[in-house]
Amino acid sequence: GAVVSQHPSWVICKSGTSVKIECRSLDFQATTMFWYRQFPKQSLMLMATSNEGSKATYEQGVEKDKFLINHASLTLSTLTVTSAHPEDSSFYICSATGLRGYNEQFFGPGTRLTVL
Amino acid sequence: GENVEQHPSTLSVQEGDSAVIKCTYSDSASNYFPWYKQELGKRPQLIIDIRSNVGEKKDQRIAVTLNKTAKHFSLHITETQPEDSAVYFCAASPNTDKLIFGTGTRLQVFP
Repeated sequence: GAVVSQHPSWVICKSGTSVKIECRSLDFQATTMFWYRQFPKQSLMLMATSNEGSKATYEQGVEKDKFLINHASLTLSTLTVTSAHPEDSSFYICSATGLRGYNEQFFGPGTRLTVL
Repeated sequence: GENVEQHPSTLSVQEGDSAVIKCTYSDSASNYFPWYKQELGKRPQLIIDIRSNVGEKKDQRIAVTLNKTAKHFSLHITETQPEDSAVYFCAASPNTDKLIFGTGTRLQVFP
């Protein structure tokens, strides 16, 4: 149990375009989903926390108008990178909680975004 | 907010030796401390975790200790093997959901 998937696994796009990344909990209902960004050789940086049916809570320094998060159901959250630029190129990872009540997060496999 | 420091940033050991990675946290309200192993391009994998009501936890070759008073926790890997080579992250949870990660330790185990 506790499987989280992400789609796509990698994406290459042109500067100025928007990219949507999906995060799904396959075998449990995720009360909360998280989005992280990880640059090469760096740690995971929490971008935002999303709860089903409510607005996401963004961490300080993360532009909410650039990184749109929608958590439409208990099994799906999406991250849209709007007007992507080369500096947005990164590894984006989602995670979900809900299986054991609190704390433990189950991670998706990540999405490698490259903006040309 | 919560801040997690992790040391060392790199660690090289001979196969069979022990490895210790240390983390400190700033928020005394944090109550959950997981450790993750991440291989290049892959998702973080939970290897062990500890909650604030426990001082030590062990799972085969891996153990974690927690000192709430000093606000630090450590990962101990005994009898290291080449397949233990990876980047290890500690994390602390200042509330019931959020995780704040340490900066990571690149562990290399030489045969």
